[in-house]
Amino acid sequence: KQEVTQIPAALSVPEGENLVLNCSFTDSAIYNLQWFRQDPGKGLTSLLLIQSSQREQTSGRLNASLDKSSGRSTLYIAASQPGDSATYLCAVPLGSARQLTFGSGTQLTVLP
Amino acid sequence: GAVVSQHPSWVICKSGTSVKIECRSLDFQATTMFWYRQFPKQSLMLMATSNEGSKATYEQGVEKDKFLINHASLTLSTLTVTSAHPEDSSFYICSARGLAGGETQYFGPGTRLLVL
Repeated sequence: KQEVTQIPAALSVPEGENLVLNCSFTDSAIYNLQWFRQDPGKGLTSLLLIQSSQREQTSGRLNASLDKSSGRSTLYIAASQPGDSATYLCAVPLGSARQLTFGSGTQLTVLP
Repeated sequence: GAVVSQHPSWVICKSGTSVKIECRSLDFQATTMFWYRQFPKQSLMLMATSNEGSKATYEQGVEKDKFLINHASLTLSTLTVTSAHPEDSSFYICSARGLAGGETQYFGPGTRLLVL
């Protein structure tokens, strides 16, 4: 059974800092890995999707890396802003329907 | 990008009543829709996978007679919480995956259910 873990559970940083969020998964036979953002009381916004054949993906100030062999992914946020404050979730798909297994999330607070 | 809507966004009901939540893919056809539940301070837990025109596949521990799922068209799936109880109070989120989205799943904004 796939298990997805995220460390740290919570992170507070001053504005402008670069930061790294970690995601690990137990079964390396994944199709892809997605990073999402969730604001309080809201749904999920897809940030980045890395295919199993890729090593990283970039979107603006976000860079996600994937190391299948070690079962790890990182989300790097450059020059953090207060608007980046949210919970960040990673997820991997299972089965033919690609249903997602989510990590427990990292709650990020960027202080102005 | 692909948009998924949910209705209602929040609902309060009395214990014992049934509540229907709609999930719509607005600008693409969703061959598969998923229903998740999220309790406070917790991550999303998959409840069921719904394919258009066929019966939903429920995850272990999810009562299919209590959480009725219907995926009657390529743009609409509904989740009905039957005989709701206070422990069913949660945040319900749907997602949709279709040809337009490829591998990406697009999530609805969620429905907050409070059962009194």
